[in-house]
Amino acid sequence: GAGVSQSPRYKVAKRGQDVALRCDPISGHVSLFWYQQALGQGPEFLTYFQNEAQLDKSGLPSDRFFAERPEGSVSTLKIQRTQQEDSAVYLCASSPPGAGNTIYFGEGSWLTVV
Amino acid sequence: GENVEQHPSTLSVQEGDSAVIKCTYSDSASNYFPWYKQELGKGPQLIIDIRSNVGEKKDQRIAVTLNKTAKHFSLHITETQPEDSAVYFCAASPNTNAGKSTFGDGTTLTVKP
Repeated sequence: GAGVSQSPRYKVAKRGQDVALRCDPISGHVSLFWYQQALGQGPEFLTYFQNEAQLDKSGLPSDRFFAERPEGSVSTLKIQRTQQEDSAVYLCASSPPGAGNTIYFGEGSWLTVV
Repeated sequence: GENVEQHPSTLSVQEGDSAVIKCTYSDSASNYFPWYKQELGKGPQLIIDIRSNVGEKKDQRIAVTLNKTAKHFSLHITETQPEDSAVYFCAASPNTNAGKSTFGDGTTLTVKP
């Protein structure tokens, strides 16, 4: 596809359930970012990959959050033992090499924990 | 860490009028300031950005100004159109990695026809 693709678009999870959110970046994009966007707020940085290397995970809110990008393309954000405060939109973005600072966001995965 | 404050949280203008959104930041090391437009159900889209070595940048109806001394920057939209209605976010980054930007909480702009 032409843009960053995220799935599922919508996910309802029961509290305590594990969830996995997938991001398929634009082909050839080296950098990949995950964000959490709570209702009515701006996106907050979670973690950053350059190819398969996770260079920064300082924004992950707890050890229940885990991200991977094993082959340097598709990435998965996993949330274990979900809690109500995890309800948010999870945005993925990617950036090509040498693009300066332009990043391209996906449409997000809307997670609701009930 | 960086703290970005954005005002106003909501803004309503008549079609054809100008809209101004203002942001302040706290980290003097920030040197890259992008603005994003987010429509309902979609991800943010970069509309304009400015770096610390420039005081103003313009792209058609959109302009951004930066005052590094005062640590504030503003988005100006002229001749607003209904399709400009969306949530606008400012952001600040202390390095060239825009992906690690700190975002403001957004301004919901409504342009009335």
